[in-house]
Amino acid sequence: RKEVEQDPGPFNVPEGATVAFNCTYSNSASQSFFWYRQDCRKEPKLLMSVYSSGNEDGRFTAQLNRASQYISLLIRDSKLSDSATYLCVVNAYPLRDTGRRALTFGSGTRLQVQP
Amino acid sequence: SQTIHQWPATLVQPVGSPLSLECTVEGTSNPNLYWYRQAAGRGLQLLFYSVGIGQISSEVPQNLSASRPQDRQFILSSKKLLLSDSGFYLCAWSDRGQNSPLHFGNGTRLTVT
Repeated sequence: RKEVEQDPGPFNVPEGATVAFNCTYSNSASQSFFWYRQDCRKEPKLLMSVYSSGNEDGRFTAQLNRASQYISLLIRDSKLSDSATYLCVVNAYPLRDTGRRALTFGSGTRLQVQP
Repeated sequence: SQTIHQWPATLVQPVGSPLSLECTVEGTSNPNLYWYRQAAGRGLQLLFYSVGIGQISSEVPQNLSASRPQDRQFILSSKKLLLSDSGFYLCAWSDRGQNSPLHFGNGTRLTVT
């Protein structure tokens, strides 16, 4: 089982729609969770951290379900500019020398918002 | 504010040639530094990380090496490139905190021919 799994998509949605992505992780000891956005041929950029109580940033809502080991991202009122690949990131396993946990990236879910 | 610079943006190199990619961070001290690689259509793979000057750890065996000669400088190198080294190389930094997110440079797209 992969450490971080995402549905690759693509999710094709019309402008104004609400869309949700889920991401599952395998290591129950994981402590920090993030969503990143990656545009085609660009670097990933931090979209938002995911907190235990859930958090919202404008049209974006992130939630964590520790019992079922998944995180979710909800995008309301989709814009054309939201088209991108969304990466789920979890600090899944310890780095070899330091004991710190490395951030493990999912392969991403591609979103295409259509006019 | 913190910034991260990575260069060059694109690179085409023949098989067997050497490689040197450089990354510098500004606006922070003693960051953790990372090199990731992203193959076409795939996820990010952690190659190296560093918690301090001269301290380099490798997560996967490979044809590449990394060095950190200064606190905010991270270099990725190879003596002889392989075709399989082609990919999108990303440098990143994070704060020392256990749960800190990563912040990426613009990346270098390397094509080995």
